[in-house]
Amino acid sequence: NAGVTQTPKFQVLKTGQSMTLQCAQDMNHEYMSWYRQDPGMGLRLIHYSVGAGITDQGEVPNGYNVSRSTTEDFPLRLLSAAPSQTSVYFCASSPGADYGYTFGSGTRLTVV
Amino acid sequence: QQPVQSPQAVILREGEDAVINCSSSKALYSVHWYRQKHGEAPVFLMILLKGGEQKGHDKISASFNEKKQQSSLYLTASQLSYSGTYFCGTVSNSGYALNFGKGTSLLVTP
Repeated sequence: NAGVTQTPKFQVLKTGQSMTLQCAQDMNHEYMSWYRQDPGMGLRLIHYSVGAGITDQGEVPNGYNVSRSTTEDFPLRLLSAAPSQTSVYFCASSPGADYGYTFGSGTRLTVV
Repeated sequence: QQPVQSPQAVILREGEDAVINCSSSKALYSVHWYRQKHGEAPVFLMILLKGGEQKGHDKISASFNEKKQQSSLYLTASQLSYSGTYFCGTVSNSGYALNFGKGTSLLVTP
């Protein structure tokens, strides 16, 4: 039982490049979310999903796309990387509304 | 919308107590509490659902006042292992999104 797996752990991008942060969970959780963490800003919600085929925007969705074609996977796509997207990204999953979230170990992204 | 946490930072001596507060401008379905140690992912502590309940988790407990849209996390007889950043997260009655506050940094010293 691996929990929530995020890849890669570290990534350096050049401005304008695109990439996909991967997130997979093996707990059959319906809810999945993406957060970014910046110093002094806490955890800010980017996008979230309450089941396969269902996604919605969070507080800071601009510049990011998501899709949820399976229960297990919830990839986050950066369309055209900008230095402002330098951050630590966490994926998290939960069985549902009455339960807590399990977080992945994070991806540290630097955009130069 | 992010909930508001207070205080921003707390320094305690081992054995002392602390309270961390969380408030929201929206009617809430649930309040979550997480702890994050430096360089690690946040770890779930507890969830409180609407209904005005209180929960305990060893020497860490929390309350949820649904009418005031507030929650408090109580850490009693603090241990060195309690050091870290504590986040409250809230889910409103009108949605599913879990939004976090900016966190409270807690340092327990010997």
